[in-house]
Amino acid sequence: QVQMQESGPGLVQPSETLSLTCTVSGGFTPNYHWGWLRQSPGKGLEWIAVMFNTGSTSYNPSLKSRVSISVDTAKKQFFLKMYSVTSADTAVYYCAGDPPDGYGHYDSWGQGTLVTVSS
Amino acid sequence: EIVLTQSPGTLSLSPGERATLSCRASQTVSNKYLAWYQQKPGQAPRLLIYGASSRATGIPDRFSGSGSGTDFTLTISRLEPEDLAVYYCQQYGTLLYSFGRGTTLEIK
Repeated sequence: QVQMQESGPGLVQPSETLSLTCTVSGGFTPNYHWGWLRQSPGKGLEWIAVMFNTGSTSYNPSLKSRVSISVDTAKKQFFLKMYSVTSADTAVYYCAGDPPDGYGHYDSWGQGTLVTVSS
Repeated sequence: EIVLTQSPGTLSLSPGERATLSCRASQTVSNKYLAWYQQKPGQAPRLLIYGASSRATGIPDRFSGSGSGTDFTLTISRLEPEDLAVYYCQQYGTLLYSFGRGTTLEIK
């Protein structure tokens, strides 16, 4: 497991771009697969995107046209951008790590950051 | 895209009882790619079970996972008050991850 912390603005204007950073500590391993997930108020978990350790990416089909994930290994950080946000994107956003054991699960999570989309 | 359906939506049990939570997939899921998480109020999810039946690090043996194909089960034996939480199943397949809507476990 690794330690992870999300950061970014808590308030985003409608139609603007949401930008979040996840900082990894306790041993950033490039072999992990890095992911973003979210949870709307009172709702369940929604997977957003993953950066595999090969450098390839995959996105939730319902969000694919509006999101982008990237990584800066040297800084031990990875990033989420979500474009043209609406109030429906108000949620707690989590970054998470999927270990390279081939089981497709998240064993490390950030504490989450609340992002509110409002004017 | 595989849809996971969890039941029941809410489960209310007493300490010491046994909880059985179900997760049904719309298509066959490899056992390797089925996981369970616990989310307590105000906290991030915590991995409980991966590979359908392997306990994650530090998870007590009161938690166990089973199942195959499209039907999977999380069992919590000897419930404790601290088990109050929402439990989610999750699958991975064809480069996509997805979660069930969760089962809320209430402790009487």
